[in-house]
Amino acid sequence: DTGVSQDPRHKITKRGQNVTFRCDPISEHNRLYWYRQTLGQGPEFLTYFQNEAQLEKSRLLSDRFSAERPKGSFSTLEIQRTEQGDSAMYLCASSSQWGQGSSTDTQYFGPGTRLTVL
Amino acid sequence: DAKTTQPNSMESNEEEPVHLPCNHSTISGTDYIHWYRQLPSQGPEYVIHGLTSNVNNRMASLAIAEDRKSSTLILHRATLRDAAVYYCILREDSNYQLIWGAGTKLIIKP
Repeated sequence: DTGVSQDPRHKITKRGQNVTFRCDPISEHNRLYWYRQTLGQGPEFLTYFQNEAQLEKSRLLSDRFSAERPKGSFSTLEIQRTEQGDSAMYLCASSSQWGQGSSTDTQYFGPGTRLTVL
Repeated sequence: DAKTTQPNSMESNEEEPVHLPCNHSTISGTDYIHWYRQLPSQGPEYVIHGLTSNVNNRMASLAIAEDRKSSTLILHRATLRDAAVYYCILREDSNYQLIWGAGTKLIIKP
């Protein structure tokens, strides 16, 4: 079990550029989540996949944000036309919870990708 | 969504027990109580969860009040590596996401 990995760990970009982050979940975990965290705050939910299906998206996920999980394994999060307000830590988590229900779901987090938009 | 209330920060001495409180007066009968922690510059880490009975694992113990309106995370012997922000989160069956508050910043003094 190698844990959840994220790439890159740090990204500095200029306003208006597009960026893409990758998350590799724990193998055989069917659920995958993206969160965003700004300094001093708890993480905020962005989106959720069960296998390859994107089942839930936060209102925080504007049209500039898109996430995919094409084969139900790794996932990518793309931000188009970045803005300074997008500067944050982007966290990915995965879990293994089959069937419906989430009350006992345990999420395992990666180290995050820190995005700085200049 | 049911909310939780935690102190902003707490201090404890190394090698002493730590009791981190959480209030959740609007908890529903089927909500589970989860705790996560986040060490500096790392992603969050699962600690423990429970429904009604007290729970123990290798990291911590979770004491749940009889009326379930509050709970306490217990670190039996804190070390410097336990310095982190601790989050108390309620999970309902229909909600996939974790809803995070501000958490409690635990400071461990050597």
